Amino acid sequence: QSALTQPPSASGSPGQSVVISCTGTSSDIGGYNYVSWYQQHPGKAPKLLISEVNKRPSGVPDRFSGSKSGNTASLTVTGLQTDDEADYYCTSYTHFNNLIFGGGTKLTVL
Amino acid sequence: EVQLVESGGGSVQPGESLRLSCVVSGLRFGIQWMSWVRQAPGKGLEWVANIGADGSGYYADSVKGRFTFTRDNVKNSVFLQMNSLRVEDTAIYFCATLHYFGLNYWGQGIPVTVSS
Repeated sequence: QSALTQPPSASGSPGQSVVISCTGTSSDIGGYNYVSWYQQHPGKAPKLLISEVNKRPSGVPDRFSGSKSGNTASLTVTGLQTDDEADYYCTSYTHFNNLIFGGGTKLTVL
Repeated sequence: EVQLVESGGGSVQPGESLRLSCVVSGLRFGIQWMSWVRQAPGKGLEWVANIGADGSGYYADSVKGRFTFTRDNVKNSVFLQMNSLRVEDTAIYFCATLHYFGLNYWGQGIPVTVSS
């Protein structure tokens, strides 16, 4: 199965907002409410930002939010900070208890 | 505090085997689903396998038939037996806890290199 589709890059200035999309099919994003988003800084393990489309784990700032419409999920980051510069990945549940990742988006804070 | 610590990585030749381990602490391990995720050098994250609380394994097509995911609830550990390794299996391997199909806690990662 092909990876979920994310834009390779996104950017914004400090204080601005940015939206990162993640497009799949009715067999993954469109079929289940198990979309998650992760932040990964260079050389570090990924960190869960959003689970089940729009749930933020304890400790994740409310500047990060998730949503879904049809086969596309979105991560919105408001009030951009320099530390938000990182790679962002989406995942979705797919059939038979499998997961599928997006290709990743490199967020640059200008 | 939840901690995951991987071990067992290293360098092998194509066709050889490796066994990765991940020890988990700080949560009720016996009911916890677990996952392995890998990241090839300079590439994105790739899901490898899940294991349910009952020990049932689920695998990406790229590793099915070659990798086996098991668990030992007495030792609070999971294991990834990797056989018939290929050059394209070279990656950092992360173990993670899986909660409602979100990977909520991660280990630090362990490198695996397959090269002739």
